[in-house]
Amino acid sequence: KAGVTQTPRYLIKTRGQQVTLSCSPISGHRSVSWYQQTPGQGLQFLFEYFSETQRNKGNFPGRFSGRQFSNSRSEMNVSTLELGDSALYLCASTPMGGRGYTFGSGTRLTVV
Amino acid sequence: QQQVKQSPQSLIVQKGGISIINCAYENTAFDYFPWYQQFPGKGPALLIAIRPDVSEKKEGRFTISFNKSAKQFSLHIMDSQPGDSATYFCAASKRETSGSRLTFGEGTQLTVNP
Repeated sequence: KAGVTQTPRYLIKTRGQQVTLSCSPISGHRSVSWYQQTPGQGLQFLFEYFSETQRNKGNFPGRFSGRQFSNSRSEMNVSTLELGDSALYLCASTPMGGRGYTFGSGTRLTVV
Repeated sequence: QQQVKQSPQSLIVQKGGISIINCAYENTAFDYFPWYQQFPGKGPALLIAIRPDVSEKKEGRFTISFNKSAKQFSLHIMDSQPGDSATYFCAASKRETSGSRLTFGEGTQLTVNP
């Protein structure tokens, strides 16, 4: 059974640009969550999607957004990138009603 | 009230020893407490999880001890091995109106010396 797949693995962007990250959950998992991991702030919840609807959102500015498609794949977008957005962005999926999140290996975003 | 405090920040043990990592939470609405293990370049992987109606859960060399009255829980790694060297995160979550989220501790960098 394939795990959670995140693409790309690494990304370098310039301040002010925007970026889109992709996540394919485990087959059958309909809930997808996104987390940001930085050395200073640790792991922080961004948002959760279920059945193409955002049902939970963390304390991040509106520059961070996401969406989920009918096949449960999800994308997150960060607009007007800032240096502080440099982080490992992790996607996690869980079956409906479950809380045993399975994480992907993440996308390492560097903003220069 | 959403915080989870984890200690120590780093831990060095000898092969065969016991590694103990502690976490404390504030929000009594939390009802699910998982531990994650993360290796460099990888995402966190679920190790073991416990619910507050149980005081202890053991899976192989990994044991969670849970003290509901003190709002504390801990991870014990018995017979620690060099391959256990990784960063460990405790977390907590609660059922919300819709969905759920994990609130993570700050992480513990474990080094097991051969």
